[in-house]
Amino acid sequence: GAVVSQHPSRVICKSGTSVKIECRSLDFQATTMFWYRQFPKQSLMLMATSNEGSKATYEQGVEKDKFLINHASLTLSTLTVTSAHPEDSSFYICSVLPGQGKETQYFGPGTRLLVL
Amino acid sequence: AQSVTQPDIHITVSEGASLELRCNYSYGATPYLFWYVQSPGQGLQLLLKYFSGDTLVQGIKGFEAEFKRSQSSFNLRKPSVHWSDAAEYFCAVGAYEKLTFGQGTILTVHP
Repeated sequence: GAVVSQHPSRVICKSGTSVKIECRSLDFQATTMFWYRQFPKQSLMLMATSNEGSKATYEQGVEKDKFLINHASLTLSTLTVTSAHPEDSSFYICSVLPGQGKETQYFGPGTRLLVL
Repeated sequence: AQSVTQPDIHITVSEGASLELRCNYSYGATPYLFWYVQSPGQGLQLLLKYFSGDTLVQGIKGFEAEFKRSQSSFNLRKPSVHWSDAAEYFCAVGAYEKLTFGQGTILTVHP
């Protein structure tokens, strides 16, 4: 399987600040990456699909101005939570899709965000 | 729209006992089906997947799953559970990149 890293693994911030989370594909190039959100004791909910060199595609109900996604290279996608509030506290997980026609997503270890 | 149902929120088994985790899906065409495992505070690890062919698929850590089209099911099994299998298990259905996850089943293993 593919190796995916996320940084930071855990972050605590004050309400109103912005937080950037990085997702890196370590052993292959990924034209497509995904960002999920997981609330405690709940399943993963897809937030957006990140495509290298183009704008991200957001799922219904996800504010694109609040959750900024940048996929500037084939190995790096970033999620920036802007003006974070306590309700944004969650576990954010990225995944990568290795190449065209491949259907298996490989997940990062996740980032725990706590907004005070 | 595609959907996944995992009827069991929490299952407890004794170490060495057999295990079956249920998964039912709704999808308009032939689905791609996955089982992932998540340890506390960690990301998801792929256990196995079904795309086509043999309906009984083998995965890592001694897990297997069987695709039954007539029942729209993709149940996960393991003949003998180890204490290290305690985790949360997610079934997912998807095609052309988009995955939909079930609610997850938490597995507790008693010694």
